[in-house]
Amino acid sequence: SQTIHQWPATLVQPVGSPLSLECTVEGTSNPNLYWYRQAAGRGLQLLFYSVGIGQISSEVPQNLSASRPQDRQFILSSKKLLLSDSGFYLCAWRVGARGYTFGSGTRLTVV
Amino acid sequence: SQQGEEDPQALSIQEGENATMNCSYKTSINNLQWYRQNSGRGLVHLILIRSNEREKHSGRLRVTLDTSKKSSSLLITASRAADTASYFCATVHLGSSNTGKLIFGQGTTLQVKP
Repeated sequence: SQTIHQWPATLVQPVGSPLSLECTVEGTSNPNLYWYRQAAGRGLQLLFYSVGIGQISSEVPQNLSASRPQDRQFILSSKKLLLSDSGFYLCAWRVGARGYTFGSGTRLTVV
Repeated sequence: SQQGEEDPQALSIQEGENATMNCSYKTSINNLQWYRQNSGRGLVHLILIRSNEREKHSGRLRVTLDTSKKSSSLLITASRAADTASYFCATVHLGSSNTGKLIFGQGTTLQVKP
């Protein structure tokens, strides 16, 4: 079956610390993968997307980066977190005409 | 960038009533999708409507699309308390079908009172 895994569910990190959020999908190959961020009470903002291994497109210049080391693995990183990086981060993959499947999200609080 | 604007921002109704949410967008689209988000959770895909379709149904959901007005509406009939959630429209721009970038609106928060 096709599933998406995202972890951790919650994370509290100090300003200036590094970040690594991981997303993996199962049951498919060569998926389009996406990282979104949602501020409290707001819609989702597309951060990065990837159409294949090593192919990353950035939508918003910021303190974050993304990598896709394997076909079904998508990683969101930061070398030094800022307070403004706090939010709800969601990974998603496109399931063709059936829409997109989202992970359960990571709530990041930078303190 | 955010493309969609949703109206209303918040909606409170009684169980059994119908709920209508509207979405407008700015540029030509390939398709428009509606998602639901329970508080603090991931998003769940509800329905996808293509630019050449005008109406689509799924259970108690009815979605319409008017490309001339660049707008869509989501109707939930006979609402239930369990329908309480935030609802988002999202669009795939014309020309972005390969990358499949979804651009979201700000969402409508629906509260259904028992």
